Amino acid sequence: SQQGEEDPQALSIQEGENATMNCSYKTSINNLQWYRQNSGRGLVHLILIRSNEREKHSGRLRVTLDTSKKSSSLLITASRAADTASYFCATDDSGYSTLTFGKGTMLLVSP
Amino acid sequence: DAMVIQNPRYQVTQFGKPVTLSCSQTLNHNVMYWYQQKSSQAPKLLFHYYDKDFNNEADTPDNFQSRRPNTSFCFLDIRSPGLGDAAMYLCATSRGGLGTSVMDTQYFGPGTRLTVL
Repeated sequence: SQQGEEDPQALSIQEGENATMNCSYKTSINNLQWYRQNSGRGLVHLILIRSNEREKHSGRLRVTLDTSKKSSSLLITASRAADTASYFCATDDSGYSTLTFGKGTMLLVSP
Repeated sequence: DAMVIQNPRYQVTQFGKPVTLSCSQTLNHNVMYWYQQKSSQAPKLLFHYYDKDFNNEADTPDNFQSRRPNTSFCFLDIRSPGLGDAAMYLCATSRGGLGTSVMDTQYFGPGTRLTVL
């Protein structure tokens, strides 16, 4: 199955700045999801965007999806130190009932 | 609160000594998953149950097995742990549903960190 690939691998910013993470994938999808993982913990679902959607918002999060380029971006606005975590995109292969996770972007937000 | 619970949070075992990790859920979800996650890597799916139907990933070693005695519980058995099996093991659930081919949200437990001595 395919795997999403995030970039950058690591991102370091100051509180109040915006953070943008990108994800690319290889084959057609039904939906794409973003998850957050705090160090040593389980993953927490952030947002799901379906293949027929182009943009979705949830609080300080904005996700875009470009199926023609097979890419997605996650924007976190006005970042906080508590946003420090790893962020993973996950895709479902059409016809499969499982998710494949990318390698993740490690975000560090300094006070 | 409905949730996914994993026990223990930390497990230490000896090389070759069988170990069982447990997961329970109060979400009444149809699907349960086990992932292995090594340091700074993506979670890797080992297998999943859709209700009672077991689905093994092609590259999951035979050393790993799973049991789901009822809707709420799922176990990961590692028959002969090796040093390379040291990792975080994550359990997750999703609602699933008849005729559903579109993946919905997965809900993760806090994970069990396995150390092999």
